[in-house]
Amino acid sequence: SQQGEEDPQALSIQEGENATMNCSYKTSINNLQWYRQNSGRGLVHLILIRSNEREKHSGRLRVTLDTSKKSSSLLITASRAADTASYFCATDATEDMRFGAGTRLTVKP
Amino acid sequence: EADIYQTPRYLVIGTGKKITLECSQTMGHDKMYWYQQDPGMELHLIHYSYGVNSTEKGDLSSESTVSRIRTEHFPLTLESARPSHTSQYLCASSDPLQAVDGYTFGSGTRLTVV
Repeated sequence: SQQGEEDPQALSIQEGENATMNCSYKTSINNLQWYRQNSGRGLVHLILIRSNEREKHSGRLRVTLDTSKKSSSLLITASRAADTASYFCATDATEDMRFGAGTRLTVKP
Repeated sequence: EADIYQTPRYLVIGTGKKITLECSQTMGHDKMYWYQQDPGMELHLIHYSYGVNSTEKGDLSSESTVSRIRTEHFPLTLESARPSHTSQYLCASSDPLQAVDGYTFGSGTRLTVV
């Protein structure tokens, strides 16, 4: 069953703006991961944040995790048209990873 | 470059046919997974494997089977294809000792059952 739920379902911004996507989950986790999927392709791993971490950075990506609220956010700064994709959060709680339905991000040039 | 390969990339097949979707990885990962994903929707776990001779059922496993005879190979078989099987099938692998690397996904097989 689905574990993570992303919000919003779709987001449209102008190039250069920041994009923020949120993820909520239901049970305790070991770590939370964010993935990107270009249309019709497989998912690409972006970043992992462990349950004992609160914030993590990777290039233009910033991820936060609040285990008390069972939520995470992904911030993409200075967005580019090439960032247009679907972004999924995934929670690693037990033996496998569960993905949400994703946020569809469109960055307009 | 993807180190996990899925074939075929696209497949159109008639109802009732038996089909096998291939997945191979060159990374030596012990864990492998099959997910089903409809366009714009969440991923549903079908099967997974901890290693050779290990197979486990996910949420949508009842109409398919998998095998893991070799570490690098994890094929998915639909014994009798139905239109409801029309979807994208994604294979993934991971190294449990390198959790920070996450899952590596193949490019997927888009299946259409007519």
